[in-house]
Amino acid sequence: QQQVKQSPQSLIVQKGGISIINCAYENTAFDYFPWYQQFPGKGPALLIAIRPDVSEKKEGRFTISFNKSAKQFSLHIMDSQPGDSATYFCAASMKDFGNEKLTFGTGTRLTIIP
Amino acid sequence: ETGVTQSPTHLIKTRGQQVTLRCSSQSGHNTVSWYQQALGQGPQFIFQYYREEENGRGNFPPRFSGLQFPNYSSELNVNALELDDSALYLCASKRAGLETQYFGPGTRLLVL
Repeated sequence: QQQVKQSPQSLIVQKGGISIINCAYENTAFDYFPWYQQFPGKGPALLIAIRPDVSEKKEGRFTISFNKSAKQFSLHIMDSQPGDSATYFCAASMKDFGNEKLTFGTGTRLTIIP
Repeated sequence: ETGVTQSPTHLIKTRGQQVTLRCSSQSGHNTVSWYQQALGQGPQFIFQYYREEENGRGNFPPRFSGLQFPNYSSELNVNALELDDSALYLCASKRAGLETQYFGPGTRLLVL
């Protein structure tokens, strides 16, 4: 059972545009929602994370929007640049000692074209 | 601050063999998790270690086992390798009680 659904699978955005990736979760016990960026041949790198007590978090060009009632959250990349081309994963975890695993979405391959 | 490191970077094994992958935690981190990432998929949780004991496990068979050492470094052992074990194996470390996990570069395992 996939507990975190991510869309789209791939995304092409023009340089300077806004990239939007969406995720939905099922388990209401999740209380931490990070986004990871992964380049080919590398491990995932933490980009930005949010907890469900806030509806939005912004760090530079990256913004997470969170809708607790809909159990959805999204990543917005403003002024997208070619260097942002990578695979992005949303994830979720719960603060439960011994059960702190990250549950990942299936990933979105983002390509920024000039 | 030293990040998470993993060795080796690449490994080729044949079906039925055994493999050991190694991970050094980020400085100050006492909890280590291992994930398996198949090509084109998101990472899947294998297990987590805290204070040298396994304290969480995903849907992986017992032939996947691990160790954590007093210096918080860790090993992932896989016995009786199968073709489907071919994947990128990721180690992640964190401080106990905090959520943020930091990943290493991974070990690419190919089983022939």
